[in-house]
Order: sequence, then structure tokens, then C-alpha cells
Amino acid sequence: EDKVVQSPLSLVVHEGDTVTLNCSYEVTNFRSLLWYKQEKKAPTFLFMLTSSGIEKKSGRLSSILDKKELFSILNITATQTGDSAVYLCAVEATGANSKLTFGKGITLSVRP
Amino acid sequence: DGGITQSPKYLFRKEGQNVTLSCEQNLNHDAMYWYRQDPGQGLRLIYYSQIVNDFQKGDIAEGYSVSREKKESFPLTVTSAQKNPTAFYLCASSIDRGGQLNLAKNIQYFGAGTRLSVL
Repeated sequence: EDKVVQSPLSLVVHEGDTVTLNCSYEVTNFRSLLWYKQEKKAPTFLFMLTSSGIEKKSGRLSSILDKKELFSILNITATQTGDSAVYLCAVEATGANSKLTFGKGITLSVRP
Repeated sequence: DGGITQSPKYLFRKEGQNVTLSCEQNLNHDAMYWYRQDPGQGLRLIYYSQIVNDFQKGDIAEGYSVSREKKESFPLTVTSAQKNPTAFYLCASSIDRGGQLNLAKNIQYFGAGTRLSVL
């Protein structure tokens, strides 16, 4: 059974701090790993990672994948209160029944 | 203004009642999905549809039913057989599902969700 584990489950930081969110996975026939940000309702897409070692970057957010060690990290630098959200990691497998397997999410709170 | 619209935002179900959650998209996406989100748990797949008039069960389909009569619409019915329906329900869509050549087409985009509670 495919499995995605995120850590820590929750995190409280102060504005300006840098945070690292972790996602490890066990999946048969890996295709891609996705990060989403869920503030109140709709998860919004952040990154899709398919190859090891290639950093994806968007503003203060960046993410990288290690397919040998089966994990990904999401980094947020110079955090702002608007970064407070639940961050979801999901893994897609190949095959006729390919689907996304989600982790439980990491709740990030950024204090002023 | 393209997107995925879920309605209603909040829904209450009485015991023994079936309720239907609406999901409409104007993104011209072929694939649509329904997930259930419970506190402290990841999103779990209820049903998905790769194309009009076709849909498949996900991991937790029991007590739910769907239809896909139009490309834009993928309503979810929570039946009285679903004994624990209280949850946050999310609908998603993607250009494609399981495509091999352009993985970006598999990215799922989500609606704002419907919160279902039992009276």
C-alpha cells in the first residue's frame, strides 16, 4: 500500500524564520510528488517534482526531491503570517489506477 | 474566470437522508475527482472520472454515488448508507489522468469544498 508521511505535523515559528517541511514516501512505481498549500478551504498547487536533485523555486518557497532516499522537502524563507496554512504532500504512482496518495499535512503557524 | 465551483459551502444531513454535493468546472478538464478530508487525516479518494459517462471507485466509495453526464459537472451523492458522513468534501479536476507524456496535465486543482454535518 502506498504511504506518504509528513513531518512535523505542526510547527509554530515567528515571522522572518526559515522553515523546512518534510515528506517521505513509499510508493510502487513513483511518477511525481506534489506540494499543495491549504489556507482555509481549497488546496492550491505549489510544485510538482519528478526528478531528483532539481530544485523548484517560487519566490520564498523552494522544494527538492530525493528519489533514492524517497523524500522531499519544502523550504520557506523569511516566513510571513500569510504563510500560515496546512501544507499537503501527495505522491502520484503510474499505472492504470494511478492516483494521488496524500500525507496528513503539516500545520504551519507564523506568529508576528 | 476559470475555476472549480463547489456548492453549497455548508450542508446538513438528517438521518436517513441522501444529499447531493455539486461540483462544476469551466476549465475544460477531462478528469474529475472527489475527496474526503477528516481532521488529522490526509485526503482520501472517493470516486474519480476520467471521461464523460465513466467513473471509477476510489479508496472509500461505500455509501457514496456519482454521475458524469456532462464534462463540466461531477455531483456526489452521500447516501443514507454512509454512516459517518461528517467531513469536508473536496472536488478536484485535471486536464488528464495518468498521462505519461506531459505530467503537468495530471496536476489536480481543487474547489473550495463543502462541509457536511449530520443533524
